[in-house]
Amino acid sequence: ETGVTQSPTHLIKTRGQQVTLRCSSQSGHNTVSWYQQALGQGPQFIFQYYREEENGRGNFPPRFSGLQFPNYSSELNVNALELDDSALYLCASTNRGGKSTDTQYFGPGTRLTVL
Amino acid sequence: QKEVEQNSGPLSVPEGAIASLNCTYSDRGSQSFFWYRQYSGKSPELIMSIYSNGDKEDGRFTAQLNKASQYVSLLIRDSQPSDSATYLCAAVNQAGTALIFGKGTTLSVSS
Repeated sequence: ETGVTQSPTHLIKTRGQQVTLRCSSQSGHNTVSWYQQALGQGPQFIFQYYREEENGRGNFPPRFSGLQFPNYSSELNVNALELDDSALYLCASTNRGGKSTDTQYFGPGTRLTVL
Repeated sequence: QKEVEQNSGPLSVPEGAIASLNCTYSDRGSQSFFWYRQYSGKSPELIMSIYSNGDKEDGRFTAQLNKASQYVSLLIRDSQPSDSATYLCAAVNQAGTALIFGKGTTLSVSS
């Protein structure tokens, strides 16, 4: 286990609703990244948070937003859910400025189903 | 659009054989590369990282990097049925913020 935790494990929502996913980073890690993994695909980068600010963003619309808290935990918010948002959402943490600044360790993921 | 390409497989090998997984990347600015293993329904688990040209060995796993050819590979020696999983190749983008993943190669090791 990596020490990265995510909640909830599974979630079912209907189209148009909003959802919040949560992540606690590994002890000693100050950076959190979020990825979306559709079935049969590799994870796609959504965004990264460092020092409570967005530090990079992938090709996702503004209805995907996030937060990072002083304890380095993070939230991913998705508004106006669409059917295509059904996926495994992965949180990964790393220690920016440490020895291996870009090694990212993944949490167990949240499986989101949009009906 | 920076990409990482992998053959989706499935790659089937008998128990005890060497499995060879390959990956190419398009961003010449990438400096760090990773192999993750993902079992069905689970999250990616880090196997190896590699930063310099050449080989890096860790137990039964050897990662190889050739930056001139933009090519990364993973060799699994003495393959076991428990190695059956999807193997994801990833490159860090030039900004150092994101992992760019391939679609993964499914490995099946038969006993």
